[in-house]
Amino acid sequence: GNSVTQMEGPVTLSEEAFLTINCTYTATGYPSLFWYVQYPGEGLQLLLKATKADDKGSNKGFEATYRKETTSFHLEKGSVQVSDSAVYFCALTSGSSNTGKLIFGQGTTLQVKP
Amino acid sequence: DAGVIQSPRHEVTEMGQEVTLRCKPISGHNSLFWYRQTMMRGLELLIYFNNNVPIDDSGMPEDRFSAKMPNASFSTLKIQPSEPRDSAVYFCASSFSRTGRGTDTQYFGPGTRLTVL
Repeated sequence: GNSVTQMEGPVTLSEEAFLTINCTYTATGYPSLFWYVQYPGEGLQLLLKATKADDKGSNKGFEATYRKETTSFHLEKGSVQVSDSAVYFCALTSGSSNTGKLIFGQGTTLQVKP
Repeated sequence: DAGVIQSPRHEVTEMGQEVTLRCKPISGHNSLFWYRQTMMRGLELLIYFNNNVPIDDSGMPEDRFSAKMPNASFSTLKIQPSEPRDSAVYFCASSFSRTGRGTDTQYFGPGTRLTVL
């Protein structure tokens, strides 16, 4: 079945450091890939998405490229801020789904220290 | 747009009591999802509806859990009787599925934090 695997956290960085959170997936067909972010005490919100191979999603300085050959969708940011501290979830939907069901990874906690 | 609305935001109850969580999806959305989040198990999909019809309830943990969507603007998740292991944050999310390829963004509510004593 479809699944998502993320690197374990927590990831602790100093402000302005480079961020990479690894995400790999297993899926049949042509899934769409997502990164969601959850700030403390809030629900999840979409950070970025990519719907086909080689697409790059980007938002708020974060980027991720859909790599079909390595079945990966790693999240990167060149210079993190304290306000980026949150839990990040990688997710996918099946390309054949018509109801938008998401399969989430386990989440990676990012802590950015001043 | 008010976003997805959930109530209550916090619920504390005693074991054996009935608990009802409520969700109002974003107007115009046709898919609704109920999730449970715990430290041990992460984020789990419990059930989802499309056009008010339950599509997949395989994530519902047991018969104590039930969900309804009587109309496009309201859904409930009920636990009866509740147990301490049901303590978690329950999220509702909605989306508008139009592409047929599952690319549509899910919008999450703020969650209901349930504590069963």
